[in-house]
Amino acid sequence: KAGVTQTPRYLIKTRGQQVTLSCSPISGHRSVSWYQQTPGQGLQFLFEYFSETQRNKGNFPGRFSGRQFSNSRSEMNVSTLELGDSALYLCASSVDGQGVSKFSYEQYFGPGTRLTVT
Amino acid sequence: GQNIDQPTEMTATEGAIVQINCTYQTSGFNGLFWYQQHAGEAPTFLSYNVLDGLEEKGRFSSFLSRSKGYSYLLLKELQMKDSASYLCAVRDHAGNNRKLIWGLGTSLAVNP
Repeated sequence: KAGVTQTPRYLIKTRGQQVTLSCSPISGHRSVSWYQQTPGQGLQFLFEYFSETQRNKGNFPGRFSGRQFSNSRSEMNVSTLELGDSALYLCASSVDGQGVSKFSYEQYFGPGTRLTVT
Repeated sequence: GQNIDQPTEMTATEGAIVQINCTYQTSGFNGLFWYQQHAGEAPTFLSYNVLDGLEEKGRFSSFLSRSKGYSYLLLKELQMKDSASYLCAVRDHAGNNRKLIWGLGTSLAVNP
């Protein structure tokens, strides 16, 4: 079974630009979560999508948005980029994220997109 | 509130045993995960505890005490490849909403 894939793997953008990152979950997984990881802040939860709906949201400004398509693939968008947005953006998929069995919410991570804002 | 604490860094010697602690405070508890993350790579699943006690898987074991809000990851017969960051995550639930809360990770350096 193929793992979680993310594109692109590396990205360099300029302040003020916008960026779209893509995530394809493991086949059969319907929940997709996005995280921002920086050395000082660790893994920070951005949002979770399930069945094309945002189910959970972290404490990030409105410049960060996302969506999920009917095939469970997800995209996240960051508008008006700031230097502090430079980070590794990780996507994780799980079966459904809310069930009682750990198999339903164990998260599998993609390789991440390394975003550098200059 | 929600909070997870882990030591920032640890150092150990090849062949030794190391214990990485994690304490948590969450509004609800629905299980605790340990993940390993090598530099520049994505986190990978190591272990899961939902009931009190020890779960053993090869060289790695994880312990949970729900009453104390405490878990540890035990790594035996350390190898150089075990140098990585170890992340503790708690599945928290408030009402019908369940999500993973992550610690900042413990960076483990294994020396020869």
